[in-house]
Amino acid sequence: QSALTQPASVSGSPGQSITISCTGTSSDVGSYNLVSWYQQHPGKAPKLMIYEGTKRPSGVSNRFSGSKSGNTASLTISGLQAEDEADYYCCSYAGSSTWVFGGGTKLTVL
Amino acid sequence: QLQLQESGPGLVKPSETLSLTCTVSGGSISSTYYYWGWIRQPPGKGLEWIGSIYKSGNTYYNPSLKSRVTISGDTSKNQFSLKLTSVTAADTAVYYCARVTIATLDVWGQGTTVTVSS
Repeated sequence: QSALTQPASVSGSPGQSITISCTGTSSDVGSYNLVSWYQQHPGKAPKLMIYEGTKRPSGVSNRFSGSKSGNTASLTISGLQAEDEADYYCCSYAGSSTWVFGGGTKLTVL
Repeated sequence: QLQLQESGPGLVKPSETLSLTCTVSGGSISSTYYYWGWIRQPPGKGLEWIGSIYKSGNTYYNPSLKSRVTISGDTSKNQFSLKLTSVTAADTAVYYCARVTIATLDVWGQGTTVTVSS
């Protein structure tokens, strides 16, 4: 069970859109539509932003969207705002009641 | 409103056992469909899934930690616990408990910092 692969960092200016990728294998991301994304501000617990690849929990801005193609899932944030600056983690169900996280991506809003 | 709260020693000596408890309020660990899980985050690093317990008492562990981890539940206290044996400095981390479904980790505790040091 290896960690999913995310870019270490991404950046964008306010109002722009950014996309964070999350690459797994045919045993996790590729096998299930069960990728979730979490936002984590410094010193805080992670917050669920996207689940089942594309769904948003109640209260999460529609500026956040998800997609998947093959073994790679993606999180897109449109209309970047200063408060979006945070770390973002993907997570995939990996079968047999196990889960695996990505290494995390630091988003900087310029 | 479901809330989770981690508790336990903040300092553990190398080679000893780390023990943490997660107290659940506003919901029951016996609920159908939900797992209850532990996740950790070493300083400056990413999240790592440690393991989960299902209401039936079935447990599931990260293969890389399986030999050292035990997760148990106490339905009378609505708590579940983590034990990690033979700890080293690499086990220093913020430890989170969370409610888990197959698709989400939707409710998290605030996290508790555990330092392994003599």
